[in-house]
Amino acid sequence: QSVLTQPPSVSGAPGQRVTISCTGSSSNIGAPYDVHWYQQLPGTAPKLLIYGNSNRPSGVPDRFSGSKSGTSASLAITGLQAEDEADYYCQSYDSSLSGRVFGGGTKLTVL
Amino acid sequence: QVQLQESGPGLVKPSGTLSLTCAVSGGSISTTDWWSWVRQPPEKGLEWIGEIYHSGSTKYHPSLKSRVTISVDKSKNQFSLKLSSVTAADTAVYYCARQTAVAGTRGFWFDPWGRGTLVTVSS
Repeated sequence: QSVLTQPPSVSGAPGQRVTISCTGSSSNIGAPYDVHWYQQLPGTAPKLLIYGNSNRPSGVPDRFSGSKSGTSASLAITGLQAEDEADYYCQSYDSSLSGRVFGGGTKLTVL
Repeated sequence: QVQLQESGPGLVKPSGTLSLTCAVSGGSISTTDWWSWVRQPPEKGLEWIGEIYHSGSTKYHPSLKSRVTISVDKSKNQFSLKLSSVTAADTAVYYCARQTAVAGTRGFWFDPWGRGTLVTVSS
């Protein structure tokens, strides 16, 4: 059972917008510690997608955006493309565990 | 830019010790960043194992703390993971990653990551 809760799967058609939620608690997201997002393409290592709740590293398309409110965060992907099909993970810090925590991951399927 | 590469045995016997090394290239390990290990069991999610600062300070996942040791070798610009008393549940892809942050943020993130190495625990 992950400390951060994500939906196991989401799907959308090309061109559509999808969102992935990440729900935590007062000891992590609500503390408030920042939320970061990673994209893991099949058979590859995770790649940083969003840092500090809503910042995109250089090279990440602006189709990807992040937000945070209270004890939850969201990743939004607009203009869905086939290449976006991957697993997505949220990550934060938990003061109760005194360590880094991940969500269970969400598999995005592009229909 | 900084690159990380994991190395070590791909097969470890049950009750043995898993040992991996992460070589850091393109930058010094002696920065304000922390250096981490993360694992991913087959078909499962990511789990933070622990992290180390170049001074040798460490932090470990509470559930693994009794079995984990992370060390740093500044002369070789690398850091290492040892996990003792392994069982089949420790079979996973092990990643090393840099933890970094910038002013104005609360919390470190992992970037970049190594390619990962699969370690199987089996007799």
